[in-house]
Amino acid sequence: KAGVTQTPRYLIKTRGQQVTLSCSPISGHRSVSWYQQTPGQGLQFLFEYFSETQRNKGNFPGRFSGRQFSNSRSEMNVSTLELGDSALYLCASSWGQGGTEAFFGQGTRLTVV
Amino acid sequence: GQNIDQPTEMTATEGAIVQINCTYQTSGFNGLFWYQQHAGEAPTFLSYNVLDGLEEKGRFSSFLSRSKGYSYLLLKELQMKDSASYLCAVREHNQGGKLIFGQGTELSVKP
Repeated sequence: KAGVTQTPRYLIKTRGQQVTLSCSPISGHRSVSWYQQTPGQGLQFLFEYFSETQRNKGNFPGRFSGRQFSNSRSEMNVSTLELGDSALYLCASSWGQGGTEAFFGQGTRLTVV
Repeated sequence: GQNIDQPTEMTATEGAIVQINCTYQTSGFNGLFWYQQHAGEAPTFLSYNVLDGLEEKGRFSSFLSRSKGYSYLLLKELQMKDSASYLCAVREHNQGGKLIFGQGTELSVKP
């Protein structure tokens, strides 16, 4: 069974640009959550999608958005990039919202210069 | 609000046992997760507790006391490869799959 796949693995962007990251969950999993990980703040919740609907949102500005497709694949978008957006972006896949397991992808390392 | 506390760093010896504690304060508890994360890699799921008691999985065990807002991860027969960051995360009622993470405990295993 394939794991959670995130693309791309690494990305370098300049300030003011926008970026789209992709996450394909484990087959059969319908819930995808996104997290930002930085050395100073640790892992912080961005948002969760279940059945193509955003079910929960963290305390991030509106520049961060996402969506989920009918095949459960999810994308997150960050517009007007700032230097502080440099981080490891992780997505977590689980069967449902109350699942007993949540598996992370390898992450996308975003560097904003 | 939510608050999750873990020790920042721990050191242990190869072959020994180490216990990593996690205390939490939440509005409505709905499960606690432990993850292992090696430097530069994604977190790996270790365990899930929602009821009080001990869950054992090979060399790793996790304990939960809901009344005390307390959990620990027990690692036995430590190996060098266990050197990693260990993350405690809590899920709350009516928050779907959202996990609130502690800052992580950096474990160093010495020969």
